[in-house]
Order: sequence, then C-alpha cells, then structure tokens
Amino acid sequence: EVQLLESGGGLVQPGGSLRLSCAASGFDFSRFGMNWVRQAPGKGLEWVSGISGGGSSTNYADYADSVKGRFIMSRDNSNNTSSLEMNSLRVEDTAIYYCAKALLYGGIDYWGQGILVTVSS
Amino acid sequence: DIQMTQSPSSLSASVGDRVTITCRASQVISNYLAWYQQKPGKAPKLLIYAAFTLQSGVPSRFSGSGSGSDFTLTISSLQPEDVATYYCQKYNIAPWTFGQGTKVELK
Repeated sequence: EVQLLESGGGLVQPGGSLRLSCAASGFDFSRFGMNWVRQAPGKGLEWVSGISGGGSSTNYADYADSVKGRFIMSRDNSNNTSSLEMNSLRVEDTAIYYCAKALLYGGIDYWGQGILVTVSS
Repeated sequence: DIQMTQSPSSLSASVGDRVTITCRASQVISNYLAWYQQKPGKAPKLLIYAAFTLQSGVPSRFSGSGSGSDFTLTISSLQPEDVATYYCQKYNIAPWTFGQGTKVELK
C-alpha cells in the first residue's frame, strides 16, 4: 500500500523559513517523480514543484507571485523521503501542502493527507 | 505558461443526471491531462489520466475524452457520493497547472 506522510508544517512569521518532509512507502521510490501541491484556505489546487525519480531534474511554479527562487525541492532515495525547503515565506504561502507521487508518465496517482503551513505575524 | 480553464465553475444536478465538465488548455497539450475529485477536508483523488484512462478502482460512470486542447469529464449517472470539486491538470511540461475547479452539488 502506497503511503505518503508529510511532516514539518506549522506557524511561521513572514520572512521566515520552514522545511517540509514527506516519508514514502509501499512503492519503488526512486522510479517515480514526486510533487508538492498546495491549497490555500477555500481555494483551488496549485502545483508547487516536482522532482524526477533520480533527483536530477527539478521544476517549480514560476507564474506571478509563485515559489521559484524561494522554495527548494529535494529527495533522498536512500531514505525514501522528499523535502520542500521554503524560504522568505509570505502570508500568501499559507496553505495545506500535499506530498504527491507521480505516475510514470506524469499526473499524480497518490497524495498524502496534507500538512498545514500558516504564515502570520 | 499554459493556462487551464474549466467550465462551469459550479453546477447543480439531480441524482441520475449526466454531468459534463469541460477543461480547455491555452495551448495544445496532446493527451497529457488528468482529472481529480476532491471532497471537503480530503486529499484529491485521481479519476482519469492520459485524458481518458480510468484509474484503477474508479467507477465506470466516470469517463474522460478529448485531445489537443479541449477535454471533457463526464459522469454518466450522478450519484450522491459524487458531490465534490473536480479539477483538471495538464502535465505535458512543467508547471503542471490545475484548472480552477468545478464544484458539483445535488439539486
């Protein structure tokens, strides 16, 4: 059974940093890309970042007011974990953050339960 | 970046009705399109990928169609448990943008 368990969320002040982790189990972790998707309160889904199975390729949302240049996604295939380092956090980064496993050719087939990040003074 | 536009943003239908949700990409994305269902307080659930491939375990009343830039999610006979918000997502290249969502309610 595929399981994705996020940790590291919480309350942080604007301008602060936070590191989210995702512990994966139940599948051959290094074969599949991983993603982070967020959802602000009462809003829709927003893709944040993705990393290839081997970790050599990483992509980030780069539309206006997005995360590129502030967030860093990484993975440790020896420990079946994925991480999202979030810096220079803004109030508008407040959201539930989901760790999500990619299908082999794209799309997302499994999601974690989500973890809340609140950016507030 | 490619934009994904869903319509309608919400709809109300009766049990047994056929429901259709459309998703339009601002550029051609071939069939790199997925549909998700999200119920309140829950993580999204994959329904369809590659535009029309039904994910294992998803009821056959859900179907997807389309290619290029215009796509459709159809629920052939709406059930009470289908009340949810539905999202499309393109994944041909990053960013893997989502549509804004379509909220489906019971009449």
